[in-house]
Amino acid sequence: EIVMTQSPATLSVSPGERATLSCRASQSVSSNVAWYQQKPGQAPRLLIYGASTRATGIPARFSGSGSGTEFTLTISSLQSEDFTVYYCQQYNNWPPLTFGGGTKVEIK
Amino acid sequence: QVQLVESGGGVVQPGRSLRLSCAASGFTFGLYAMHWVRQAPGKGLEWVAVISYDENNEYYADSVKGRFTISRDNSRNTLYLQMNSLRAEDTAVYYCARGGDYPWFDSWGQGTLVTVSS
Repeated sequence: EIVMTQSPATLSVSPGERATLSCRASQSVSSNVAWYQQKPGQAPRLLIYGASTRATGIPARFSGSGSGTEFTLTISSLQSEDFTVYYCQQYNNWPPLTFGGGTKVEIK
Repeated sequence: QVQLVESGGGVVQPGRSLRLSCAASGFTFGLYAMHWVRQAPGKGLEWVAVISYDENNEYYADSVKGRFTISRDNSRNTLYLQMNSLRAEDTAVYYCARGGDYPWFDSWGQGTLVTVSS
């Protein structure tokens, strides 16, 4: 099973600043990584797939990069609605499909 | 637009069974793989199971293999999860999710809470 490790667990950032979230795979997953945003009490929402392709309707301030074992989600200028939890997921070697433990982006 | 609506959650005793449903609309259900993903209270996301668009393939997480069964009825645009021999650790919000071109999850339902407790 591929283990996805997200860091940091909590990221404190001021509104308008850049946030950089990391996700590391226990072995290479090529570019087969997706990112999700989850707000309290809501279902997750797909942000990025293929490591760097934004899903339909996702603002351009969200970008993804990486391949192999190291991946990054960048939010270029944090808006108030962006302060929430983010998960990465690999779909290269499955089953099982596996998620990272999540990063909470909080207001500094 | 894509809509997924789960139902069937509730409180159940350990060892008992429960069946979840997910009603799909707004897309051609029979063309997509469908998944169940769960989230224990205050925890992260855990993939549970997937069924192919044509019902020919099913895969499960080890934690539920042999106890849970995923199925679908393409004529009714509905996904199911039969959960047997439930344990306290199965307590979670269960989401149905549509598979993308590859197994990411491009649409999610609002979830249904399953609580396993005596």
